[in-house]
Amino acid sequence: ETAVFQTPNYHVTQVGNEVSFNCKQTLGHDTMYWYKQDSKKLLKIMFSYNNKQLIVNETVPRRFSPQSSDKAHLNLRIKSVEPEDSAVYLCASSYTGGSDYTFGSGTRLLVI
Amino acid sequence: GQQVQQSPASLVLQEGENAELQCNFSSTATQLQWFYQRPGGSLVSLLYNPSGTKHTGRLTSTTVTKERRSSLHISSSQITDSGTYFCAINTGANTGKLTFGHGTILRVHP
Repeated sequence: ETAVFQTPNYHVTQVGNEVSFNCKQTLGHDTMYWYKQDSKKLLKIMFSYNNKQLIVNETVPRRFSPQSSDKAHLNLRIKSVEPEDSAVYLCASSYTGGSDYTFGSGTRLLVI
Repeated sequence: GQQVQQSPASLVLQEGENAELQCNFSSTATQLQWFYQRPGGSLVSLLYNPSGTKHTGRLTSTTVTKERRSSLHISSSQITDSGTYFCAINTGANTGKLTFGHGTILRVHP
C-alpha cells in the first residue's frame, strides 16, 4: 500500500514532557511537510523538507524540531510540551513544487 | 502574508440539493487545491485547479485567477458529503507550501 503513514494516532502527555511523532511516505515523493491543525480546524504549515533539505521553516517555538533521515521519513520532536501544543499534527508529502499532495491520518496530541 | 477566505463558514443542505463553496485569495496563486476532511479524518485532495474549470464526479471547480477566486460546486449532495471543505493555495517559490482557508463545514441531512 502506498500512502503517508503517521504514528502514533493519539498521544496524551503532561506539560514539560518530550514527544516524538513519526511519518513515513511510500509514494516516492521528494518533499514532506508538517502541518498543525488547531481546535478551530485551521491548518498552518510548520516545516517542509525536500530531499532531506529544510526548505520551509515557519515561525514556530524552538521546542519544535523536525528530523529527516531520508526523503521518505520526516519526524517531529517537541521538547517540553505546553498546553497550547494540543492539536492535530498532519504529515504530508508531494513531488517538488506540490503536485500529488497526500496527507497522513494525523497525530492528535493532548497536553494535560 | 497570503490570505485565503472561504464562504460560507457552514452550510446545511437536504440530500439531493446542490452546494456552492467560495474561495477568495489575496495573492496570485500558482497552485490551488480543494481538500475534504471528514470529522476526525485526514485531508483528501479533491481537485487541483489553478485556473479554469475542472470536473470530477459530482464536483466542479472554477478558478478565475485574475479575480483571485475559486468555487467548488457539489451537485446532488449526499449524506456522505458531510464534512469540512478546505481551499488551499501555493503562491510559488516551488516549496509546495500551502496556505489554507478556514474551511466550509457542510452538513447534508436526509
